[in-house]
Amino acid sequence: AQSVTQLGSHVSVSEGALVLLRCNYSSSVPPYLFWYVQYPNQGLQLLLKYTSAATLVKGINGFEAEFKKSETSFHLTKPSAHMSDAAEYFCAVSRGGSSNTGKLIFGQGTTLQVKP
Amino acid sequence: DSGVTQTPKHLITATGQRVTLRCSPRSGDLSVYWYQQSLDQGLQFLIQYYNGEERAKGNILERFSAQQFPDLHSELNLSSLELGDSALYFCASSVGDLTYEQYFGPGTRLTVT
Repeated sequence: AQSVTQLGSHVSVSEGALVLLRCNYSSSVPPYLFWYVQYPNQGLQLLLKYTSAATLVKGINGFEAEFKKSETSFHLTKPSAHMSDAAEYFCAVSRGGSSNTGKLIFGQGTTLQVKP
Repeated sequence: DSGVTQTPKHLITATGQRVTLRCSPRSGDLSVYWYQQSLDQGLQFLIQYYNGEERAKGNILERFSAQQFPDLHSELNLSSLELGDSALYFCASSVGDLTYEQYFGPGTRLTVT
């Protein structure tokens, strides 16, 4: 079975500091991996996705993530945090090309706080 | 705005009742997914429909059912409601059944009292 673990339910950074949100996955088949962001009282917005092409993936709003198979990780980073980045972030996995469905398995989420 | 619409935005009902949540996918999308978000369970996949047919089932209770209509909108029916069913219910859509880029609606917040 696939699973996702997000390390740290709450991360706090100063404005302008590096953002690092950690995600480790478990999958018996090559996974597809995603990061979504959820702002208060809103739905989820796709930040970026890995689908077996380049291991370094660039997304919206300056975020990027690197797929590391040897570490089963897909950590999300942003060089400089902005106040508007404060939100909840979810890492998700699907079974990729070996599946007959695109259903997503989500991690528990990480709340990012950005301090002025 | 993702292009996915969900109604109603909020729903308050009593235990034992039945409710219907509605979702309209993005124009051109054939797949609809339903997810439940709660504090204790997090985001859980419930069910997927593709072009009117059930494609995958997740942690969906027998009291819950869904369908996708010929115009591709979908409805999630929740019956014999319990306090524990209080949650945010999201609908997402994608172009195909294996298209992994899913677009989420704003959700329906269900409160069971």
